[in-house]
Amino acid sequence: AQTVTQSQPEMSVQEAETVTLSCTYDTSESDYYLFWYKQPPSRQMILVIRQEAYKQQNATENRFSVNFQKAAKSFSLKISDSQLGDAAMYFCAYRGPGDMRFGAGTRLTVKP
Amino acid sequence: GAGVSQSPSNKVTEKGKDVELRCDPISGHTALYWYRQRLGQGLEFLIYFQGNSAPDKSGLPSDRFSAERTGESVSTLTIQRTQQEDSAVYLCASSFRAYNSPLHFGNGTRLTVT
Repeated sequence: AQTVTQSQPEMSVQEAETVTLSCTYDTSESDYYLFWYKQPPSRQMILVIRQEAYKQQNATENRFSVNFQKAAKSFSLKISDSQLGDAAMYFCAYRGPGDMRFGAGTRLTVKP
Repeated sequence: GAGVSQSPSNKVTEKGKDVELRCDPISGHTALYWYRQRLGQGLEFLIYFQGNSAPDKSGLPSDRFSAERTGESVSTLTIQRTQQEDSAVYLCASSFRAYNSPLHFGNGTRLTVT
């Protein structure tokens, strides 16, 4: 079975600074997609960014970018210029043929 | 268009009662997932529907839990003889079939069993 591991249960960052959240996964598939979701206290799950496994270029969405290392099966999320509104649980997710897996989440605190 | 809709938003029930949670997916989304999320925890997979295929029920924790979906429309998750450990947020998500399609989540139903 495919697994998704987030090794940092909690992280904190100073407002305006940069933080990186880690995610590793295990799969025998060659074609799959990776996602980062944000869940603020409102509990709504919000898609932050998506990466296609066959693309070497790292995905970027405004202040959010990923470092995708396919050989290492690593998919970290970098948040630049952190804002108070970035405080939330962040979940890494893997989706392959017939399979959808989430990591256990990282709780991000942003300090003013 | 409208997103994934879940009802009720909150449900308080007495131990031993049955509850039914509803999920209205985005139109055209053939895939539908149910997850359970205990306070401060991650997402626990419950069940997956894909079109008219047999659902993947491998995540249902006990035979008290069941779910139905008619075609590609509404799904209901039923918990019979509720227990206090069933207290959690139940999240529903839908997507297109293709695995490049992200899941779109509803706001969840917070179930409290007293």
